[in-house]
Amino acid sequence: AQKVTQAQTEISVVEKEDVTLDCVYETRDTTYYLFWYKQPPSGELVFLIRRNSFDEQNEISGRYSWNFQKSTSSFNFTITASQVVDSAVYFCALSESPSWGNNRLAFGKGNQVVVIP
Amino acid sequence: DAGVTQSPTHLIKTRGQQVTLRCSPKSGHDTVSWYQQALGQGPQFIFQYYEEEERQRGNFPDRFSGHQFPNYSSELNVNALLLGDSALYLCASSFRDGEGEGYTFGSGTRLTVV
Repeated sequence: AQKVTQAQTEISVVEKEDVTLDCVYETRDTTYYLFWYKQPPSGELVFLIRRNSFDEQNEISGRYSWNFQKSTSSFNFTITASQVVDSAVYFCALSESPSWGNNRLAFGKGNQVVVIP
Repeated sequence: DAGVTQSPTHLIKTRGQQVTLRCSPKSGHDTVSWYQQALGQGPQFIFQYYEEEERQRGNFPDRFSGHQFPNYSSELNVNALLLGDSALYLCASSFRDGEGEGYTFGSGTRLTVV
């Protein structure tokens, strides 16, 4: 069974500090996809990144970066120089499927990030 | 290009009643999934529809049922509502065999059962 663990529930940082969100996953499949989503107060889940199990390259997108390590089953997310607009709940999710579009997502419990001005 | 549209945005129902939630997928998407998100929790998978059939189902009772129409839109029905059904219900659309950014989620329907 697939499982995603996000240990920290609420994280508060002062603006311009960096914040790292941890995600540990469990799966018996060799082919799977990992995702991060942002959920602002409006409720909509906003896609941030998808990574397949065969691509362990780290990725940077602006102030966002992701560190994928299969050896420790982790897919961590860092926001550099945080801004108030980064305040939201962030979810890590896992999909076991050769094609990402046709399988369920298993979500972690989420991290509430509060950026203090 | 419209994303995923859900209606209504908010709903209040009484225990024992029935409710229908609606979802229009993003243009070009053919698969619709429904998720239940209780307060302070991550979304939980309810079921997924493709080609008007339920293809996968999560650990939800038969009180939860759905439908997909030929235009790919979908409905989620919940019968005999319980207080515990109060949650944000999210619809996600995707292209079954496609690449791209991933699932696209709607803003959800917030259901309150009193």
